[in-house]
Amino acid sequence: DAKTTQPNSMESNEEEPVHLPCNHSTISGTDYIHWYRQLPSQGPEYVIHGLTSNVNNRMASLAIAEDRKSSTLILHRATLRDAAVYYCILTLYNFNKFYFGSGTKLNVKP
Amino acid sequence: DARVTQTPRHKVTEMGQEVTMRCQPILGHNTVFWYRQTMMQGLELLAYFRNRAPLDDSGMPKDRFSAEMPDATLATLKIQPSEPRDSAVYFCASGLGQGSETQYFGPGTRLLVL
Repeated sequence: DAKTTQPNSMESNEEEPVHLPCNHSTISGTDYIHWYRQLPSQGPEYVIHGLTSNVNNRMASLAIAEDRKSSTLILHRATLRDAAVYYCILTLYNFNKFYFGSGTKLNVKP
Repeated sequence: DARVTQTPRHKVTEMGQEVTMRCQPILGHNTVFWYRQTMMQGLELLAYFRNRAPLDDSGMPKDRFSAEMPDATLATLKIQPSEPRDSAVYFCASGLGQGSETQYFGPGTRLLVL
């Protein structure tokens, strides 16, 4: 299974943009890139996913490198509620096994 | 607002006892996943089902763990006998069974085995 690498932790100021990086140099052509986050004492929740093109939704944006070996989750204006562990996950189309790494713990300062 | 529900939310038991955790997937979802989360190992996939059939349970210790879906609205994870090392938070998630689907997680069952 393709592996992802993320920084252990990051810090941001409230109301500022946050760029969370993920390296996945062994990604294959059919792997989708998913991002989930886990708020304290809750189950993980879906943030965004994509294959090749950049994606936007109401929560975040996903920027995917042209060679697909890395991606960046962008929170446009961090709030205190965005403090969580963010997981970058690769999964094959129609093969829904998710392997969660250790993720990036995001701390948002007021 | 459809959600995955899990019961019990918390369970304290003694070593050797049977533990049963239940999950109600979102109505209409045909894929169910069981995960375990510990500080040391993080989130691990234990098993998953599609249309009530087990597709993969390679992450589950076979000698003491069992997972079933008696019907489309109920998934169960049993541990018999339980051991202290089984202490963890167990999450259930469900999805629509389509390619690259989104998984919707429940709130988890926090298990402590003494």
